[in-house]
Amino acid sequence: AQTVTQSQPEMSVQEAETVTLSCTYDTSESDYYLFWYKQPPSRQMILVIRQEAYKQQNATENRFSVNFQKAAKSFSLKISDSQLGDAAMYFCAYRSRDTDKLIFGTGTRLQVFP
Amino acid sequence: NAGVMQNPRHLVRRRGQEARLRCSPMKGHSHVYWYRQLPEEGLKFMVYLQKENIIDESGMPKERFSAEFPKEGPSILRIQQVVRGDSAAYFCASSPGDEQFFGPGTRLTVL
Repeated sequence: AQTVTQSQPEMSVQEAETVTLSCTYDTSESDYYLFWYKQPPSRQMILVIRQEAYKQQNATENRFSVNFQKAAKSFSLKISDSQLGDAAMYFCAYRSRDTDKLIFGTGTRLQVFP
Repeated sequence: NAGVMQNPRHLVRRRGQEARLRCSPMKGHSHVYWYRQLPEEGLKFMVYLQKENIIDESGMPKERFSAEFPKEGPSILRIQQVVRGDSAAYFCASSPGDEQFFGPGTRLTVL
């Protein structure tokens, strides 16, 4: 069975600085998807970025980018030029190509200080 | 195009009562997923449905929980004889077949 591990329960960053959130996963599959979701205090789940395992190029969405290391089964999220609005819980998630269910990590709470 | 809608947003039930949670997917989406989030935890998959069919219910507790997605109307997650351990946020997501879009969730509190 696939598992997703986020080893940082909490992280903090100063406004305008860069922070990296870690995520590792375990799978025997070669083709899958990885996601980062943001959950602000409103609890709405917002997709931040997604990566397809067969693509070697790291995904980027504006200030958000990932470092996808397939051999190491690592999928970290880098937030550049952090803003106060980035403060939230961040969840890493895995999805097999064969099934539709998402498998989530336990989350990292990010605080942003002015 | 309205997003995924869930109601109620908050639901309070006493032990032994029934809870009904509703999810209206985005227009054109025929796939619905239910997830549960216990306090301080990530979301856990419960069930995946398409219109009138349960595709994957591997995450559903064997008793008291059921889900449906009828031909007309919203998807319903039903919890019978609720217990305190059912207190959680329940999220619905819909998909046209690929990316999942989440609703705002229903927070269930069992007294």
